[in-house]
This record gives sequence, C-alpha cells and structure tokens, in this order.
Amino acid sequence: DIVMTQSPATLFVSPGERATLSCRASQSVRNNLAWYQQKPGQPPRLLMYGVSTWAPDTPPRFSGSGSGTEFTLTISSVQSEDFAVYYCQQYSTRPLTFGGGTKVEI
Amino acid sequence: AQLVESGGGLVKPGGSLRLSCVASGFTFSSYRMFWLRQAPGKELEWVSYISLSGGETDYADSVKGRFTISRDNGKKSLFLEMSGVRAEDTAVYYCASPVDLVSDAFDIWGQGTKVIVSS
Repeated sequence: DIVMTQSPATLFVSPGERATLSCRASQSVRNNLAWYQQKPGQPPRLLMYGVSTWAPDTPPRFSGSGSGTEFTLTISSVQSEDFAVYYCQQYSTRPLTFGGGTKVEI
Repeated sequence: AQLVESGGGLVKPGGSLRLSCVASGFTFSSYRMFWLRQAPGKELEWVSYISLSGGETDYADSVKGRFTISRDNGKKSLFLEMSGVRAEDTAVYYCASPVDLVSDAFDIWGQGTKVIVSS
C-alpha cells in the first residue's frame, strides 16, 4: 500500500498569512493526488485533484503543486473559514490511501 | 448532485448491517461509486469500489470477505452489506462519487451514516 504522510500535524496561522501544507507519498503517485478540507461534523470537501486542478467552487487562494512523491497545498491568504483539517489522497493505485491530516488552527 | 446514506446504527460484534446510498442530481449509472469510512478522530479510509455496471468490485483488505458492495442503477442506489462486524468497523460511512470518469478523487459525498459496533 502507498503510505501518505502529511506535515505538520498542526499548523498555527493568523488570518491573512500564507499557509503551506505538505504531503509525501511512499512511492510515486504521478499526478494522482487530491486535497480535501474537512470541518467538524461534515464530510470532506474536495479542493484540488490532479495535483493542481481546482475542484468546482474552490477559491483561487488555494493552490496545489508537486509531482511524484512530494506535494504541497498552499493557501495564499488564510481566511477565517479555512480553519479546518486538510487531507491528501492518492488515487494512483488501489487501495486508495489518505494522509493523517493537517489541522490548520488560529 | 446529492448522495444520501442510511442504514447505520448500533450492531453487536459479529452482526450484520446494510447501508444504502441514494443518488440524485447526476447520472448515477455513469459513475463508478465508492464507500469510505472515518473512525472517530481518525483519517479517512477507503472501503470499497464498484464499477458502472457492478461487474467489478474491490475492497480494502480490512473488510475483504466480510463486506459486499452492490448497486441498482435503476434505483440510483448503492449498497454496502456488512457482516461479521468488528469493533474496528465503528466509523462514519460515506458513499462518494468521483469528480470525473478517470479520477478517483471525490467531489460528491453523502452526509455519512454512523455505525457503532458494540456489545
């Protein structure tokens, strides 16, 4: 199975600051990488797929980059509604696997 | 586009449960469908996959031989038959649909149905 490792586990930022979240795969997933945002009591919301393709309704302040095994989700200017847990997911091979999440906190 | 799950609840270890997911607002029969789950305070875990026609299925090793996925395209419904449940199956179960026909990234999720395995 491909293991997805996210860092940091918790990221403290202030509104308006830039946030950078990392995701590493144990083997290449090519560009088959997605990012989700999850708030308490809600299902995940797809933000990005194919590393850098915006999902519908994703604000442009979110951007994705990387390839192979190293990926980054950047929030250019964190807004109050962005405080949540973020997960990366590889869909290169089954079993589909998710990272452990990064919690973005004030 | 919407997915609505049902069927969760409290079940004893070794027992059975059938989860359902009804789709609306998109062409259900054109999409592969998936079940995922999230244990309390844990990350997401892929559970199962089914092809458009239902002829191909796949399962996580943790549920293989115990869970069965199926679909009824005429009723726009997805199912997960759970048997021999264990405490570690306790989770919120989500059905989900991919963002397009080739990417297993999920843009449509149900609200989830909670399964608690306890005696």
